[in-house]
Amino acid sequence: DTAVSQTPKYLVTQMGNDKSIKCEQNLGHDTMYWYKQDSKKFLKIMFSYNNKELIINETVPNRFSPKSPDKAHLNLHINSLELGDSAVYFCASNLDWGELFFGEGSRLTVL
Amino acid sequence: AQSVTQLDSHVSVSEGTPVLLRCNYSSSYSPSLFWYVQHPNKGLQLLLKYTSAATLVKGINGFEAEFKKSETSFHLTKPSAHMSDAAEYFCVVSGFSGGYNKLIFGAGTRLAVHP
Repeated sequence: DTAVSQTPKYLVTQMGNDKSIKCEQNLGHDTMYWYKQDSKKFLKIMFSYNNKELIINETVPNRFSPKSPDKAHLNLHINSLELGDSAVYFCASNLDWGELFFGEGSRLTVL
Repeated sequence: AQSVTQLDSHVSVSEGTPVLLRCNYSSSYSPSLFWYVQHPNKGLQLLLKYTSAATLVKGINGFEAEFKKSETSFHLTKPSAHMSDAAEYFCVVSGFSGGYNKLIFGAGTRLAVHP
């Protein structure tokens, strides 16, 4: 199926741990994004990569490090997890700044 | 700078009655506008988009929206609500930041549909 897929779907971990979320799109898009959705459903852009180049970094703490090995993948690594990092993280992609296609989300719970 | 305001955080309607979800935008140029829907525990799905063609845009599931430049609005409507329409709805405007285009989300409107 053509889609944006992200793993894992659920992640429960302790404060201070390091974790990663992976994202892949097979839509041939050139731009990929990470969004954070808080408990009030507010969606905030974190990062955007265009053809493996970081183009948007919205003042996210440097504990968050995105990596794009190729234009079909954008992974998110989080160091030293804090309670406030608990959220749903969405990966998305688009082509030529058109409509966004979203993954199903990864729900991170930090205990 | 671009911004988007969804005027209602919650809307509640009865099944079979019309739906109106309100969105106002601010943009220094002719924007692209989108409506996305998010069902519980799901990702976001595009309902419809306006990109400077017809001002009345038809989307999926019977939804439509009208771009009104004079009112800087892009309200989402549906003639008759269905129970399956209960979800979170996001109005989105395209905007430039640092030389790149990015999509700016409204805070969302939760639509509840009652029998």
